[in-house]
Amino acid sequence: RKEVEQDPGPFNVPEGATVAFNCTYSNSASQSFFWYRQDCRKEPKLLMSVYSSGNEDGRFTAQLNRASQYISLLIRDSKLSDSATYLCAVIYGQNFVFGPGTRLSVLP
Amino acid sequence: NAGVTQTPKFRILKIGQSMTLQCTQDMNHNYMYWYRQDPGMGLKLIYYSVGAGITDKGEVPNGYNVSRSTTEDFPLRLELAAPSQTSVYFCASSYGGTGFSPLHFGNGTRLTVT
Repeated sequence: RKEVEQDPGPFNVPEGATVAFNCTYSNSASQSFFWYRQDCRKEPKLLMSVYSSGNEDGRFTAQLNRASQYISLLIRDSKLSDSATYLCAVIYGQNFVFGPGTRLSVLP
Repeated sequence: NAGVTQTPKFRILKIGQSMTLQCTQDMNHNYMYWYRQDPGMGLKLIYYSVGAGITDKGEVPNGYNVSRSTTEDFPLRLELAAPSQTSVYFCASSYGGTGFSPLHFGNGTRLTVT
């Protein structure tokens, strides 16, 4: 089983829709979790950290479920500009391990 | 602040040539990382460093070497380039420590080996 797994998608959703992605991780000792956004041919950029109690940043909500070993990202009121690949990152020891990413296309 | 700066942005190498990908950060981060990303794929860790003078192998270190003589710089050396090393290379840095700050990425170096 891979350390960090994501559904590659693509998720094609209309503008204004709500969409959610999950990311599962295999190592229960993982310490910290993040969501990154990557646009085509660009570097990943931090979208948000994921806190144990869950956290929200505008239209984005991140959740952590340690018992089931997954993190989630919810995007409300999708915008065309949200189209990108969303990578989850999990820290094991001193390393950041990334999932393969989930591609989102928001359609007009 | 410039953040994490990578040079060059693009490079084409012939098989067997060598080159160094430069990476420097001005955020006084202790931890630095090199990843490669093949088209449509995720990021794979090549090497990382938790401080000057300390380096460790990641998931895919074969064909690469690194050094960390200063906190700011973390160059990646490719010896005897092979077509399998065609990829986009990202350098990243983090403050590290307990609780971990997130990674900050450079703009990437697109390398083609022909």
